Amino acid sequence: KNQVEQSPQSLIILEGKNCTLQCNYTVSPFSNLRWYKQDTGRGPVSLTIMTFSENTKSNGRYTATLDADTKQSSLHITASQLSDSASYICVVKMDSSYKLIFGSGTRLLVRP
Amino acid sequence: NAGVTQTPKFQVLKTGQSMTLQCAQDMNHEYMSWYRQDPGMGLRLIHYSVGAGITDQGEVPNGYNVSRSTTEDFPLRLLSAAPSQTSVYFCASSSYAGTENSPLHFGNGTRLTVT
Repeated sequence: KNQVEQSPQSLIILEGKNCTLQCNYTVSPFSNLRWYKQDTGRGPVSLTIMTFSENTKSNGRYTATLDADTKQSSLHITASQLSDSASYICVVKMDSSYKLIFGSGTRLLVRP
Repeated sequence: NAGVTQTPKFQVLKTGQSMTLQCAQDMNHEYMSWYRQDPGMGLRLIHYSVGAGITDQGEVPNGYNVSRSTTEDFPLRLLSAAPSQTSVYFCASSSYAGTENSPLHFGNGTRLTVT
């Protein structure tokens, strides 16, 4: 079954600290993996899109990694800010298809 | 820069009522889609369209209809609302349906409650 699992479900960190969110997937055939940020009451916003040949991709303080062999991805947030408080959603796109498989997200709270 | 606009933001319906959720995008995107987001679950695809006049079902289409008469608009119709349709609905679009690396652009959602 095509699935995307994220951990942890929720996370609390202090402002200025780093954190890493995990995503494991069992999706085949694989096309690309995406990370989205969703602020409360808003729609998701794209952070990165990675194909199987890309190991690392950065977007400001956000760095995503992908290991296509182990089917794992991580999103590392550096020097967290209060505005990073949001849900982070991992999404895998199937090859030759419009189908996207969404994880249920990690809810991050950054405290002052 | 409007992007994807959804209306209304909030809606309360009684069981059996019908309504239309509106979605419009101003980016000339070919691909448009509707998702529902429920607590503890990933977004689930309801219906999608790869261009004007073309629509197809997603994984949870029952109880919903769509049409795509123009590139810009993709309304979602609830035929006879049920409490199980209480959810947050998101419309999303992307530039070219066949482009593998096109990001989805989401609206800010419609929160629907069916009593």
